[in-house]
Amino acid sequence: DIQMTQSPSSMSASVGDRVMITCRSSQNIGKWLAWYQHKPGKAPELLIYAATGVQSGVPSRFSGSGSGTTFTLTIDSLQPDDFATYFCQQAHSIPPTFGGGTTVEMK
Amino acid sequence: EVHLVESGGGLVQPGRSLRLSCAASGFSFAGYAMGWVRRAPGKGLEWIGFVRSKHYGGSADYGTSVKGRFLISRDDSKSIVYLQMTSLKTEDTGLYYCTRDLTKISASPSGASLSDPLAADFWGQGTPVTVSS
Repeated sequence: DIQMTQSPSSMSASVGDRVMITCRSSQNIGKWLAWYQHKPGKAPELLIYAATGVQSGVPSRFSGSGSGTTFTLTIDSLQPDDFATYFCQQAHSIPPTFGGGTTVEMK
Repeated sequence: EVHLVESGGGLVQPGRSLRLSCAASGFSFAGYAMGWVRRAPGKGLEWIGFVRSKHYGGSADYGTSVKGRFLISRDDSKSIVYLQMTSLKTEDTGLYYCTRDLTKISASPSGASLSDPLAADFWGQGTPVTVSS
């Protein structure tokens, strides 16, 4: 299975900050990476697919970049609703494995 | 509006079986792949598996830790996807989510169309499974 590694595993940030989360894969996955947001007690939500595609309804402050083995989720101007855990998932090959998650907490 | 509602979770002893159901509404169920993802307490997300739409053969694929023990099936007439879990282990404990899956289509060497997971665009609220004696 392809291993996905996220960094940092947790971070503290303030409203208005620019937040960047990195995801690295154990092998080249091209552009096949998705990002999800997960809040306690709620269903996860798809933010980004195919590395840079923004899912319908997702605020424009969320963006994805990268290809190959290194990917980044960027949140421009963090909002109160954005404090959550973020997961990456590779879609290059089955099984589509997830990263360990990055929890964004309020500073 | 897309709705996915899981049911069937509960407390089960190790080695026993359990079947989860996911009732879908608000979209053309037959045209989509459907999947299952779980999150164990204090851990991250784990892909369980998915079943393709009948248009792409209706076959299923599974995650490494559940292959051979879990089976995913679908009933397009009822818009329900099932997760049959057998030989349950304590490490199968978690919150189980049903997902509607976007897929990427490619061509096999024989020219047949292949449908593989791209991303899960809708998720249910989850149903809890606890495996304990």
